[in-house]
Amino acid sequence: KNEVEQSPQNLTAQEGEFITINCSYSVGISALHWLQQHPGGGIVSLFMLSSGKKKHGRLIATINIQEKHSSLHITASHPRDSAVYICAAPYSGGGADGLTFGKGTHLIIQP
Amino acid sequence: GAGVSQSPRYKVAKRGQDVALRCDPISGHVSLFWYQQALGQGPEFLTYFQNEAQLDKSGLPSDRFFAERPEGSVSTLKIQRTQQEDSAVYLCASSLEPGGYGYTFGSGTRLTVV
Repeated sequence: KNEVEQSPQNLTAQEGEFITINCSYSVGISALHWLQQHPGGGIVSLFMLSSGKKKHGRLIATINIQEKHSSLHITASHPRDSAVYICAAPYSGGGADGLTFGKGTHLIIQP
Repeated sequence: GAGVSQSPRYKVAKRGQDVALRCDPISGHVSLFWYQQALGQGPEFLTYFQNEAQLDKSGLPSDRFFAERPEGSVSTLKIQRTQQEDSAVYLCASSLEPGGYGYTFGSGTRLTVV
């Protein structure tokens, strides 16, 4: 089973700061997912990436397959970015049998 | 529909009661997954369907948990004789591709067993 570790577990920052959330996994994978979950809300898929870097608005996700590590960055952070960010990798690496999730990073952006 | 729909949104059950949670995936999505998310934790895999076939049920915590997807679309997760430790959010996700890439998640069903 893939083990997924995220850091930090909790992060509080001021509006406008550059945010980095890290994720490492134990088993080589085909693709890694970054997800966002607002309090009391459902999960939204932000990115699925298998190599390099993806950007969507102020969100950037990078992955280093060799080092089994991925990062999620938020530029010019805003209070509406406050949420739990979850990294998820295929359960056994292949992707056909579900995801293993990290425990999430609780992000609070203060105005 | 436009997204993955789960019902009910909230369910309170008395200990020992049976419950049924419904997931209506995006039309045409081949893969369907169920996850259990305890308070303050990340989701944990329960089971996976490819069309109507349940290919992996290794995450189901006990034989009180049963899932089905008889026609390859709507899925039901049934929990028999609910226990307090079953209290969690149950998430459903679907994907167009067999490998489960490009997941769309439902909003979840919050089950509270009292």
